[in-house]
Amino acid sequence: EAGVVQSPRYKIIEKKQPVAFWCNPISGHNTLYWYRQNLGQGPELLIRYENEEAVDDSQLPKDRFSAERLKGVDSTLKIQPAELGDSAVYLCASSPPTGEETQYFGPGTRLLVL
Amino acid sequence: DQQVKQNSPSLSVQEGRISILNCDYTNSMFDYFLWYKKYPAEGPTFLISISSIKDKNEDGRFTVFLNKSAKHLSLHIVPSQPGDSAVYFCAASDGSSNTGKLIFGQGTTLQVKP
Repeated sequence: EAGVVQSPRYKIIEKKQPVAFWCNPISGHNTLYWYRQNLGQGPELLIRYENEEAVDDSQLPKDRFSAERLKGVDSTLKIQPAELGDSAVYLCASSPPTGEETQYFGPGTRLLVL
Repeated sequence: DQQVKQNSPSLSVQEGRISILNCDYTNSMFDYFLWYKKYPAEGPTFLISISSIKDKNEDGRFTVFLNKSAKHLSLHIVPSQPGDSAVYFCAASDGSSNTGKLIFGQGTTLQVKP
């Protein structure tokens, strides 16, 4: 079974530029999460989707961050404009519809904002 | 406030010996706990979990212990192997909130020396 796929794996941009990350969850997993992991810290939830619906986006900085999950499968997380403090690893995770609380993570996108 | 804490940033053990990684939490509503392992440039990989109705869960060389009164959990790896060298994160969730949100600790870097 294929795991969570993310692209790109690495991205370097200058501040004020836009950037987008893509995630394809494990097949059949209806719940999708985006996390941000700063250096030396654990992942922190940005947004959670149940199918197409964003059910928890309370931690998403909405002035510059946006996300979508069209058709309830793939998801895109966008930052516009990026700031220096956005440098981090952006992780996507998914979990199945069985109520299982275990989340399965992708490899992440490492973003560096110069 | 840090609801999940891993107070030891690093741990070094000899191959074949026991590794004990510790985690403390403050939110008494947490009812499900997980350990993830993370290698460099990869996403966190699920290792083992425990529900608050149990005090021990074992899977091969990995055992997680939960002490609810002390709000403390630990991961035991016996025997430790060089391939276990990684960053270990504990995480917790509050099932009653129905958010599926995992709260992560800061991580502990384990080094197993041959």
